[in-house]
Amino acid sequence: DGGITQSPKYLFRKEGQNVTLSCEQNLNHDAMYWYRQDPGQGLRLIYYSQIVNDFQKGDIAEGYSVSREKKESFPLTVTSAQKNPTAFYLCASGVSDTQYFGPGTRLTVL
Amino acid sequence: GESVGLHLPTLSVQEGDNSIINCAYSNSASDYFIWYKQESGKGPQFIIDIRSNMDKRQGQRVTVLLNKTVKHLSLQIAATQPGDSAVYFCAENIPIQGAQKLVFGQGTRLTINP
Repeated sequence: DGGITQSPKYLFRKEGQNVTLSCEQNLNHDAMYWYRQDPGQGLRLIYYSQIVNDFQKGDIAEGYSVSREKKESFPLTVTSAQKNPTAFYLCASGVSDTQYFGPGTRLTVL
Repeated sequence: GESVGLHLPTLSVQEGDNSIINCAYSNSASDYFIWYKQESGKGPQFIIDIRSNMDKRQGQRVTVLLNKTVKHLSLQIAATQPGDSAVYFCAENIPIQGAQKLVFGQGTRLTINP
C-alpha cells in the first residue's frame, strides 16, 4: 500500500445518498486514479488526474465526480445517479508508467 | 477494442512447486505490462513489469515472459509458498494524454496447497 491511504475501509450508504471516498498519498506523485472492482473481475477506470485542478473521465465515469484541489488528495464522490454503486473502490497514484494502489474502500448500498 | 484476458481463472499448485500464470492481450501497440498480486480485501500490489523491448525479466522468485508475436505474457513463480496464494492480474499500460491507463484482465486465483 505504500504511502497511499484510503478511508474509510468499509462504507454503507442508503439509496439516494451521495458519499465521498477519501484518497491521500504522500509519495509526491503527480498522477492519481480511481478504479472500481466488482467481484471476480479486474479493475475499471473511473477518473484520473495528472495534475492539481485537472482531471479526466475514465471508462465508467457516469454517476461519479472527483476533485483535485491538492496534489496529495483525490476524493471520489459516488452520487445517487450511480445505478449500481456497491463495489470495491481502489485509488492509485503513479509516476512515469507505474501505478501503486491504496488498500481500498468497500462500499455497500443498503 | 483493447482488452487483456487470462487463460485460466483458477490455479492450484503444491507448496514448493513452480506456478505459471498466463495472460493474453489484444492491443499490439501496447509497450508496457505489469503483474499485480491482490490478496483478499486489499489493493493490488505491484510484482513485476516488462517493456515490449524485452522478452524476459526476472525478480525475486518471479519471472515474466513476453511473447509479442502471439501477444502473450506469463508470470512464473518459483518455489511457491503459502503467502503466494492470491489473485494475480496482468495489466496493459496505455498512455492517455500524458497519464497512464491500466487495462486489467479478469485475474487468476492461485491457491498453494500444503
